[in-house]
Amino acid sequence: DSGVTQTPKHLITATGQRVTLRCSPRSGDLSVYWYQQSLDQGLQFLIQYYNGEERAKGNILERFSAQQFPDLHSELNLSSLELGDSALYFCASSVASGQGRQFFGPGTRLTVL
Amino acid sequence: AQKVTQAQTEISVVEKEDVTLDCVYETRDTTYYLFWYKQPPSGELVFLIRRNSFDEQNEISGRYSWNFQKSTSSFNFTITASQVVDSAVYFCALTPLGGSYNTDKLIFGTGTRLQVFP
Repeated sequence: DSGVTQTPKHLITATGQRVTLRCSPRSGDLSVYWYQQSLDQGLQFLIQYYNGEERAKGNILERFSAQQFPDLHSELNLSSLELGDSALYFCASSVASGQGRQFFGPGTRLTVL
Repeated sequence: AQKVTQAQTEISVVEKEDVTLDCVYETRDTTYYLFWYKQPPSGELVFLIRRNSFDEQNEISGRYSWNFQKSTSSFNFTITASQVVDSAVYFCALTPLGGSYNTDKLIFGTGTRLQVFP
């Protein structure tokens, strides 16, 4: 158990809908990362937050957004969902940026029908 | 460009065989981390090892060993006496830390699926 929790575990929704994925980092970790794992794109970095502020953006679509709250939990919002958004979404956390070791949550499997 | 290449898509072995998973990386940064993660059928990502760019010592942990060679930009992973429980997808990843980067995002390879048959 990495100490990172993600909810929900599974999510099934329809095209055009909006969903929110939630992540609670390990206690004391300030940095939160989101990754998407799909058959087409593999495992790719989406976005990083550090202590409430956006630190870096990767291949994140404009329809996706994220935030990190004062209690350090993070949410990833996916809107206008398309079939191609079906994927496993991982959250990871680390003590600080630049430490190199990220602890991954169990992932949220999103299925868009 | 920052890139990780795992040329082996799938490897099948019989239990007790040794197996090496290849990883080649590209980065212009002199400071970086390299990682291996395991993804078993249950789907979670399990951290195996982190190596920084200044430490070329090979490492052994039980049946696992890693060979880091900067001269060939490779960070290969060997499982000795493989077991059925080693069946998983293995990812090599890179975190470049040089220059103006203010993030330590992971850049993953495409993974190698290892199947170990009894």
